[in-house]
Formats: sequence, C-alpha cells, structure tokens
Amino acid sequence: NAGVTQTPKFRILKIGQSMTLQCAQDMNHNYMYWYRQDPGMGLKLIYYSVGAGITDKGEVPNGYNVSRSTTEDFPLRLELAAPSQTSVYFCASSPAGGGGGTEAFFGQGTRLTVV
Amino acid sequence: QKEVEQDPGPLSVPEGAIVSLNCTYSNSAFQYFMWYRQYSRKGPELLMYTYSSGNKEDGRFTAQVDKSSKYISLFIRDSQPSDSATYLCAVSSGSARQLTFGSGTQLTVLP
Repeated sequence: NAGVTQTPKFRILKIGQSMTLQCAQDMNHNYMYWYRQDPGMGLKLIYYSVGAGITDKGEVPNGYNVSRSTTEDFPLRLELAAPSQTSVYFCASSPAGGGGGTEAFFGQGTRLTVV
Repeated sequence: QKEVEQDPGPLSVPEGAIVSLNCTYSNSAFQYFMWYRQYSRKGPELLMYTYSSGNKEDGRFTAQVDKSSKYISLFIRDSQPSDSATYLCAVSSGSARQLTFGSGTQLTVLP
C-alpha cells in the first residue's frame, strides 16, 4: 500500500498565483486532514473532512479551500498565494471508528515557497 | 495561551542517556495523548499513544500522562543515534480525530 501520497513534493509560486496540492490515500480512511508546519511552530490544522462531501475549517483556513468528492482524494487549493503561505503542508488520514487514539497517517509533505 | 505547550529544545544527549520530553496542555476535554516522531524532511509518524492518565511502555519508550496537572511526558531509555528526530506531542478530544500539536522538540543523540 502507498498510504498517503502528496504531490508535488516541492513548488515555488509567485505572489498572486494559484495552485492545488494533491492528496490521495488508499487505506479507505474516512477522515482526512490538511496541516501546515512552520519552523518551530508545530502543525496547525487548515481543513479537515470526516467523509466524502463533508469538509470543515480548522485553526488556520484563511486563503485555502478544499473539496472531498471521493473517499480517496482531498485536494487543497491555494488562491492568490501570499508569502505567509510559505510552509510545509502535510496531508493526513485516519480510519473512522475505534478510539480517539486511532493513528493518523501522514504524507511526506509538500514544501511550498511563495516569492 | 497555547492549547499545547512543548519544551522547545533543541536537546542534545550522548548515546545511552535517558531522555525526557514534556508537554503541558490547557483544555481538560483532551482525552487522547500522542507522541509523534518526525525525521528530517519526512511526515510525522505515530510513536506512542495513551488514553487518559497513566503510563504506557513500548520497548525503550514510555509515555506518561497526568491529567490532574495536564502534563504529558515521553521517556526514552538507552537513547540511540537513530532516535535523533523531532518529537511532537499531540492531544485530541476524540471529536473528528482532530489533533492539536505541540511545537516539537528537536532531539540529537550523539554517538
């Protein structure tokens, strides 16, 4: 199994450009998440989804949009990129059911620089 | 006040040392407590998780939670250079499995 796959791994954007970060998981997990990680700041939740067709804002949603048309895919859209969006973006998934300690599986990350 | 505060480090120890990593949290609704390990330029991976107060041991790793003081600890015995990584504590109330992370502690184990 591939687990959680993110593309691209690296990207440089100019201010004002838009892009979509792709995330796909092959574990049939209902729950999916997007986090951003800034140096020394831990991971902050941008958006999450509890199933296809259902999304909700996390702690830092401004400047981003998501969609969840299938169980497998959870793309993150950046509109009008700004330097403040320079970060490492992680997609994660976890299975429904079970205890709250169910493991979240992370992708390898997308390193985005906005210049 | 941040929901989860973590000792910032960085922490450098000799091989074989006992390492203690700590976090505090502010919301008593958190019930699930996790430690993730993140190697450089990789995604985090779950190392340990505990539910409510108590200890959990897995090989050289022990996770400890004290809900009365809202304190989370991870102990690493006989530390190895391969343990060099950033350690992130994370908490969850269970709702939608959302995780709230600490800022991470960078650990280096010197051979």
